[in-house]
Amino acid sequence: QVQLMQSGAEVKPPGASVKVSCKASGYTFTSHGLSWVRQAPGQGLEWMAWITTYNADANYAQKFRGRVLVTVETSTSTAYMEMLSLRPDDTAVYYCARDQSLVRGVWDSWGLGTLVTVSS
Amino acid sequence: DIQMTQSPSTLSASVGDRVTITCRASQSISSWLAWYQQKPGRAPELLIYKASSLESGVPSRFSGNESGTEFTLTISSLQPDDFATYSCQQYSSFPWTFGQGTRVEI
Repeated sequence: QVQLMQSGAEVKPPGASVKVSCKASGYTFTSHGLSWVRQAPGQGLEWMAWITTYNADANYAQKFRGRVLVTVETSTSTAYMEMLSLRPDDTAVYYCARDQSLVRGVWDSWGLGTLVTVSS
Repeated sequence: DIQMTQSPSTLSASVGDRVTITCRASQSISSWLAWYQQKPGRAPELLIYKASSLESGVPSRFSGNESGTEFTLTISSLQPDDFATYSCQQYSSFPWTFGQGTRVEI
């Protein structure tokens, strides 16, 4: 079955960086794009970035451009989201989510989420 | 950016009720709209895509409709498992955006 296994919770001080991983299994990794979506405590969902897994072409929400980098490692079927210059308001659960087959922007499988806490 | 406005933000209902949630887009998104269900502490789950297509495995009591830039999610007969937060999301153009969510509570 399709699984997206995310890395564990992180606690970082303001100004640090964090790198979250998302290891895919149960399907052909390069056949589906991946997005990163975050959710601050008690808040709604926020799309951050999308990456094509076969050629690593990425698209970012404007507010994250230059501060977030999404990459893929096809040899291990793993996607990464790195965020720089962390701020307290970056405290959130970060999800990776797989595109439906042939439809980008609709997510039929999600990771369990990675809690990133930014605090001094 | 396309703004997605969901209403209501909270909805109180009982088991067996018919429930409708509305989502309005700030501009045309054609039918490129999805609905997700999320329970506390869990990842969202896809219910509906392309405004009215039911995701595989989703009960038929869930349905989606559209009229111009207004979209609705209807639960025909609310079940105990349906108490959750529902979010709409447009995927017509980048950046993909969500509504603020509707919490369905008892």
